[in-house]
Amino acid sequence: GNSVTQMEGPVTLSEEAFLTINCTYTATGYPSLFWYVQYPGEGLQLLLKATKADDKGSNKGFEATYRKETTSFHLEKGSVQVSDSAVYFCALGNAGGTSYGKLTFGQGTILTVHP
Amino acid sequence: GAVVSQHPSWVICKSGTSVKIECRSLDFQATTMFWYRQFPKQSLMLMATSNEGSKATYEQGVEKDKFLINHASLTLSTLTVTSAHPEDSSFYICSAGGWGVFDGYTFGSGTRLTVV
Repeated sequence: GNSVTQMEGPVTLSEEAFLTINCTYTATGYPSLFWYVQYPGEGLQLLLKATKADDKGSNKGFEATYRKETTSFHLEKGSVQVSDSAVYFCALGNAGGTSYGKLTFGQGTILTVHP
Repeated sequence: GAVVSQHPSWVICKSGTSVKIECRSLDFQATTMFWYRQFPKQSLMLMATSNEGSKATYEQGVEKDKFLINHASLTLSTLTVTSAHPEDSSFYICSAGGWGVFDGYTFGSGTRLTVV
């Protein structure tokens, strides 16, 4: 079955530091990959996505590249801000078949950015 | 863009009572909705998948008689936690999407349920 593994947190950085959150997956077929962000007490917001190998998703300075050869989708940002403090979830979804639309989530990584 | 409204955002109820949570797609028709549960500082676990006009499909280990899901229209799905117990206290989140609109689905803002 599908599974997603994220690097364990929490991650604590100073403002303007470089961020990497590792994500690897196992899946059948050709899944789509996503990063979601959850701020305290709120639901999930889609941060970025990639639907096929070598696609790069990007949004708000965050980037992630769909690497089929290493089954990875690592999240990066060149310069984090205090407002980036949140929980980040890597997720995998199948766009077809009986598992259409189901998302499998990683365990989440808590990011705290200090001024 | 697609918007999903989830209500209520938080609820406190007594043990033994039932609580209904609503998930509405505001500007699109959601043929499929998913209900997730999130324990504190943990990931989201899929509870069930509901398709408009048909019975929900529950994940293994989820009690269908306890977590009643109804998806009677293309814009509304409800989750009813029946005979709630303190161990049902959790954060419940829905997501909605329609065929051909799969961009990771749009999530509601979640409902914090506390059973006392």
